[in-house]
Amino acid sequence: DAMVIQNPRYQVTQFGKPVTLSCSQTLNHNVMYWYQQKSSQAPKLLFHYYDKDFNNEADTPDNFQSRRPNTSFCFLDIRSPGLGDAAMYLCATSSAGTGLAGWEQFFGPGTRLTVL
Amino acid sequence: KNEVEQSPQNLTAQEGEFITINCSYSVGISALHWLQQHPGGGIVSLFMLSSGKKKHGRLIATINIQEKHSSLHITASHPRDSAVYICAVPEPIQGAQKLVFGQGTRLTINP
Repeated sequence: DAMVIQNPRYQVTQFGKPVTLSCSQTLNHNVMYWYQQKSSQAPKLLFHYYDKDFNNEADTPDNFQSRRPNTSFCFLDIRSPGLGDAAMYLCATSSAGTGLAGWEQFFGPGTRLTVL
Repeated sequence: KNEVEQSPQNLTAQEGEFITINCSYSVGISALHWLQQHPGGGIVSLFMLSSGKKKHGRLIATINIQEKHSSLHITASHPRDSAVYICAVPEPIQGAQKLVFGQGTRLTINP
């Protein structure tokens, strides 16, 4: 089945130690999104890629970076994780095609990040 | 910017009860998403609808574009339906659509 896969599902890192989260998709979608979801809060968009074009949300801290080496893969890099970065990180994709179907977002299972 | 409000924020019911979760938004849209998130889990898309009604199994979603309101109904609720239900509306961003989320409704179904 076509899907969005995130690895790892659980990540523990130390304060200040860089960490990379991975997302891959078999849907061949143009758009990939990274959301941050803190406990009991709604997801918050960090950035998205339209093909290779990177688009950062205005309030995303510089500590968060992303790479998309090809259509299938997208990475979230946290350069110096702080305690406040502990959250669920969700990857999503959409086709950006014409019509309503292009707007539907398909989510991965998420990576839960713990910062010690 | 669209404001998305859900009610109730928390809902506890007995197995078998009919459940209704409401969502209203402030700016006209062409489609609305209903999403489900189990505790500690990822997000699953339940529906994306632009008009009328959609049904998947025991779940029914309706939308009234003129009134800027949508409802999610669960018939014959079951403990496995316990989850957070989130409505979200799209907002255009560069080449894509960003989702503006409601605060979620935490549903607990007791056996």
